[in-house]
Amino acid sequence: QKEVEQNSGPLSVPEGAIASLNCTYSDRGSQSFFWYRQYSGKSPELIMFIYSNGDKEDGRFTAQLNKASQYVSLLIRDSQPSDSATYLCAFLQAGTALIFGKGTTLSVSS
Amino acid sequence: GAVVSQHPSWVICKSGTSVKIECRSLDFQATTMFWYRQFPKQSLMLMATSNEGSKATYEQGVEKDKFLINHASLTLSTLTVTSAHPEDSSFYICSAITTGANSPLHFGNGTRLTVT
Repeated sequence: QKEVEQNSGPLSVPEGAIASLNCTYSDRGSQSFFWYRQYSGKSPELIMFIYSNGDKEDGRFTAQLNKASQYVSLLIRDSQPSDSATYLCAFLQAGTALIFGKGTTLSVSS
Repeated sequence: GAVVSQHPSWVICKSGTSVKIECRSLDFQATTMFWYRQFPKQSLMLMATSNEGSKATYEQGVEKDKFLINHASLTLSTLTVTSAHPEDSSFYICSAITTGANSPLHFGNGTRLTVT
């Protein structure tokens, strides 16, 4: 069973701090990894995707991938209350559907 | 960016009736669409993969005769929940890939189904 593991949280950080979200996956063949943000009652929205080992930065977001450790993370710098949501990690199964983790709930306090 | 439109946004139906949910790709052609289901405080669970012009591929545990999927064109896939029961109440979300096998999924806004 191919799985994605995430700490459900909640992860609480003060406004302006760095939030670090982590994810491990079981399928060594996975090549593509995605982070989605989901607000309560809404569909997920794509934040970032990463294919290569190392870091990928986009604004306040940095995705980190370590294929040897089967680990992917998302850093959110200068966290804002509007970043409070559930963050879903996902990997691409066999080049088709995304398999999601259960998500980590982030709470940013002002 | 790629837009996926899903309709209706929410629906309430009586037990035993059927409900159809539409998923459209508005500005791109989607040869493959995916249907997910999400129960409260749970993750998205893939139900089926819908390919244009062919039968859908269902995930283990998903009843294909209960959840009918039709992908008649490159821009439209439909999910029909037949003989709905209260336990089918959930958030149903469709998604599509724009181009290439490694492209990220773009999601519709979801349909909140409540079966009374």
